[in-house]
Amino acid sequence: DIQITQSPSPLSASVGDRVTITCRASQSIINFLNWYQQKPGTAPKLLISAASNLQSGVPSRFSGSGSGTDFTLAINSLQPEDFATYYCQQTYNTPHTFGQGTKLE
Amino acid sequence: EVQLVESGGGLVQPGGSLRLSCEVSGFSFSSYWMTWVRQAPGKGLEWVANIKQDGSEVSYVDSVRGRFTVSRDNAKNSLYLQMNGLGAEDTAVYYCARTQNDFWSGQSSDYWGQGTLVTVSS
Repeated sequence: DIQITQSPSPLSASVGDRVTITCRASQSIINFLNWYQQKPGTAPKLLISAASNLQSGVPSRFSGSGSGTDFTLAINSLQPEDFATYYCQQTYNTPHTFGQGTKLE
Repeated sequence: EVQLVESGGGLVQPGGSLRLSCEVSGFSFSSYWMTWVRQAPGKGLEWVANIKQDGSEVSYVDSVRGRFTVSRDNAKNSLYLQMNGLGAEDTAVYYCARTQNDFWSGQSSDYWGQGTLVTVSS
């Protein structure tokens, strides 16, 4: 199985900050990497697919980059509603493993 | 409006069985892969299984293979997860998700249900 190492966790930040979260895959996954946001008691929400494809309705302060084994989610100018847990997920091979999650606090 | 509604969760004894359902509306169910993801209390997300549009391809995480079976009924717009031989480690909220599939960039789950809680305990 492909292992995904996500860091940091937790991540302390303030409103207005720019933050980055990284995911490293145990082998090349090309760009088969998604990012999700999850708030307590709710289902995950897809933010970015294919490493950098911002989903419709997701604010442009979110961006994704990377290819191969190293990927980054960046959030510019943090807003209060961005404090949540973020997960990356590889879909290059099944099982489509998730990273451990990054709680942004 | 796209909607996914899971049901069938509850309290079950170790070794028992449970069948989860996911009824969808607002999109053409037969056109999409579907995925089950679970989340143990206070833990992260775990991909469990997925199924192709016509049910011809299914995949499972190793920890459930041989115990869980994913299926679908396109006529009823419904996805199922039959869970047998349940153990405490299967206690989790189970989500179903509509899944986009692209040859060049893989899969992504763009709509999720609210989840159904499965508790395995004596």
